[in-house]
Amino acid sequence: DVKVTQSSRYLVKRTGEKVFLECVQDMDHENMFWYRQDPGLGLRLIYFSYDVKMKEKGDIPEGYSVSREKKERFSLILESASTNQTSMYLCASSPTVSEQYFGPGTRLTVT
Amino acid sequence: EDKVVQSPLSLVVHEGDTVTLNCSYEVTNFRSLLWYKQEKKAPTFLFMLTSSGIEKKSGRLSSILDKKELFSILNITATQTGDSAVYLCAVGKSNTGKLIFGQGTTLQVKP
Repeated sequence: DVKVTQSSRYLVKRTGEKVFLECVQDMDHENMFWYRQDPGLGLRLIYFSYDVKMKEKGDIPEGYSVSREKKERFSLILESASTNQTSMYLCASSPTVSEQYFGPGTRLTVT
Repeated sequence: EDKVVQSPLSLVVHEGDTVTLNCSYEVTNFRSLLWYKQEKKAPTFLFMLTSSGIEKKSGRLSSILDKKELFSILNITATQTGDSAVYLCAVGKSNTGKLIFGQGTTLQVKP
């Protein structure tokens, strides 16, 4: 079974803090994705990566950056957290142009 | 602009009822349409549809795609309380691993 893990299930941070969300997949997938999920808005793509050290902006990249130094790990960074970044963050991976496998999510609250 | 719209946004039924969830899309370079089920955790993959008119079936769940009218339906027969979840529809574009998600349909099945 494909396993995608995320470093935290719940996280509470203060406004202005730098926040790191980590995602690890164990199936040697090429593609990795970061989404945020908000009520009524569905999943919105923040950033994705097709290969190590490669990244592309999704639909809502403002306020976020990413890092992919190893194939199995894709990190999402909030340089200076703001209250409007309070959300559920979901990481996913996929082998090719195929279905994506999701991690359990991190519920981030910024106060 | 690419768009995926699900309806209804929420639905309450009783056990044993049959439900139909709708997903319409306006996406350039369509490759596939996917359905996911999300309980209080990661979305789990249900179906991927690429061809019109071919029904995919898994137990009490089935789905079909109409590429002419640009929509898909997900049917659940003899619903059970365990079917309560958010059902997500997503469209994949050609030559990319990106998915475009709808807002989701929240289904509640009452005993």
